[in-house]
Amino acid sequence: EDQVTQSPEALRLQEGESSSLNCSYTVSGLRGLFWYRQDPGKGPEFLFTLYSAGEEKEKERLKATLTKKESFLHITAPKPEDSATYLCAVQGSGGYQKVTFGTGTKLQVIP
Amino acid sequence: EPEVTQTPSHQVTQMGQEVILRCVPISNHLYFYWYRQILGQKVEFLVSFYNNEISEKSEIFDDQFSVERPDGSNFTLKIRSTKLEDSAMYFCASRGVVGSNQPQHFGDGTRLSIL
Repeated sequence: EDQVTQSPEALRLQEGESSSLNCSYTVSGLRGLFWYRQDPGKGPEFLFTLYSAGEEKEKERLKATLTKKESFLHITAPKPEDSATYLCAVQGSGGYQKVTFGTGTKLQVIP
Repeated sequence: EPEVTQTPSHQVTQMGQEVILRCVPISNHLYFYWYRQILGQKVEFLVSFYNNEISEKSEIFDDQFSVERPDGSNFTLKIRSTKLEDSAMYFCASRGVVGSNQPQHFGDGTRLSIL
């Protein structure tokens, strides 16, 4: 069974203070690892897809990286508007369509 | 930018009643999904739907649940005889056809409250 573990559960940063969120996963044949952002009362908003170890993707202050066992979401010089819950999810070869989510990291950026 | 639309945003229903949650996926997408998120817990897969049939479902998706694409634009989740534990956010998602590992795009959900 695919599993995703995210850490920390919550993270509080000062504006401009860079940090990283961790996503550890076990999956039978990784087809894709996805990062989403979720604001309160909203649905997950797609950020990145990573397909193979060594791959990196960037978008504004966010950079996602992937190894064979984990993924990191690096946040550089965050702003208050980056405050949200960041979700990691995996799709394995066992489930053709199913995506398995972690519980997320709730990020708060303080001005 | 095209988006997934869900209605209603909040549904309050008495236990034992039937409820239908509605979704309009992104127009050129062909794969459709329902997920749920119980308050404070992770997003959980319920069912995937392609070519007018269920392609995969989780253990949560028992005989109480059904899905339908009644026309060319809507995708619905029906819950028969609702239970208190069905209270959750229900998210619809869709994706395009190019590559089975393409990302799914989510709507903003329906908050279902069972009294």
